[in-house]
Amino acid sequence: EPEVTQTPSHQVTQMGQEVILRCVPISNHLYFYWYRQILGQKVEFLVSFYNNEISEKSEIFDDQFSVERPDGSNFTLKIRSTKLEDSAMYFCASSDLGETEAFFGQGTRLTVV
Amino acid sequence: TQLLEQSPQFLSIQEGENLTVYCNSSSVFSSLQWYRQEPGEGPVLLVTVVTGGEVKKLKRLTFQFGDARKDSSLHITAAQPGDTGLYLCAGALPNTNAGKSTFGDGTTLTVKP
Repeated sequence: EPEVTQTPSHQVTQMGQEVILRCVPISNHLYFYWYRQILGQKVEFLVSFYNNEISEKSEIFDDQFSVERPDGSNFTLKIRSTKLEDSAMYFCASSDLGETEAFFGQGTRLTVV
Repeated sequence: TQLLEQSPQFLSIQEGENLTVYCNSSSVFSSLQWYRQEPGEGPVLLVTVVTGGEVKKLKRLTFQFGDARKDSSLHITAAQPGDTGLYLCAGALPNTNAGKSTFGDGTTLTVKP
């Protein structure tokens, strides 16, 4: 069964460092998303990406965040200068055009120390 | 303002009991998804409901979308310990991208053997 895969599963980084979280969406999907979930809190939308550009973003997705689809299969989230409060599970998701649901990856646990 | 309110927040029952969890909103959603999330993992899609009044069954799970598409319920019959987990509802507002969903806080279900 097709699935969204994320790497790494766990990343520890020092405050102020840049991190790149990687995702391989389901191959025939056209919409890609990043969500995050701070420990003990709800899943929050960060950004959606379609046709090689950001289609929507939340207030959380400020200038320190960026997304990219560098090739035909990968979708990345870059955090330029990490802060302690960026520690969270980051989930990538993808959906097909016309579908009403997204399929989630297993997540990357980011720990900023 | 909480767009999607889930209740109860926690539920602990014995194996074999039935239960219902609720997802309520004052907003109309074009679709609503139910996910199950295990600790440290990504949300796993259980079902999507789209039509007001729609009922979907998935083995012992019954999902209902309210007539006005503002609320939903998940009923589990004869709960088993394997049903233990966090149940999340997520809604897509009209005129938003597929998969750009607002999540509720979730119901943590514990089924004791």
